[in-house]
Amino acid sequence: AQRVTQPEKLLSVFKGAPVELKCNYSYSGSPELFWYVQYSRQRLQLLLRHISRESIKGFTADLNKGETSFHLKKPFAQEEDSAMYYCPPGGSGGSNYKLTFGKGTLLTVNP
Amino acid sequence: DTAVSQTPKYLVTQMGNDKSIKCEQNLGHDTMYWYKQDSKKFLKIMFSYNNKELIINETVPNRFSPKSPDKAHLNLHINSLELGDSAVYFCASSPGGGAGETQYFGPGTRLLVL
Repeated sequence: AQRVTQPEKLLSVFKGAPVELKCNYSYSGSPELFWYVQYSRQRLQLLLRHISRESIKGFTADLNKGETSFHLKKPFAQEEDSAMYYCPPGGSGGSNYKLTFGKGTLLTVNP
Repeated sequence: DTAVSQTPKYLVTQMGNDKSIKCEQNLGHDTMYWYKQDSKKFLKIMFSYNNKELIINETVPNRFSPKSPDKAHLNLHINSLELGDSAVYFCASSPGGGAGETQYFGPGTRLLVL
């Protein structure tokens, strides 16, 4: 069964500081991992996917199979990065695929 | 040109009432979902439909009944509303419901049960 842990419920940094949002997973099979972001009172939206290996809004996330982690990083946080971040693991495919979102991490970037 | 839309945006009602939330997507996706986000921002899947067929039904009280008249619509009807039903309900869709697909979310419906 897929399980994800975001150990930090709240994370507060100052503008310009590096930020890392942690995501650890336990998974059977090949993981499909994502980061979704929810800005204040807005809809959830995809931030990035591990298979894309891209940088969005300065954020990157590398899948570390040894540590079973998919931490989200940004070298210099901006105030507009303040949001809820979720790291749901995907299922193993098939018609019963589902994303399990959980509690997320609330990031606050202070001026 | 909103991809996934929900109505109403806000819903305030009394305990015991019955209410419905509607969701529509114009992305041509086959799969749609309902999620519940509680006051602590815990986001949990409730249902998913693929081509009007119920695929996922998490442990949700049977007071909640999803209905999919066609693959572009997934409505949520809630009977006998309780205080604990107060939450934000998000609808989402994805192309085929498979692993690795991006889900596209609606703006959410804030339900407050008094």
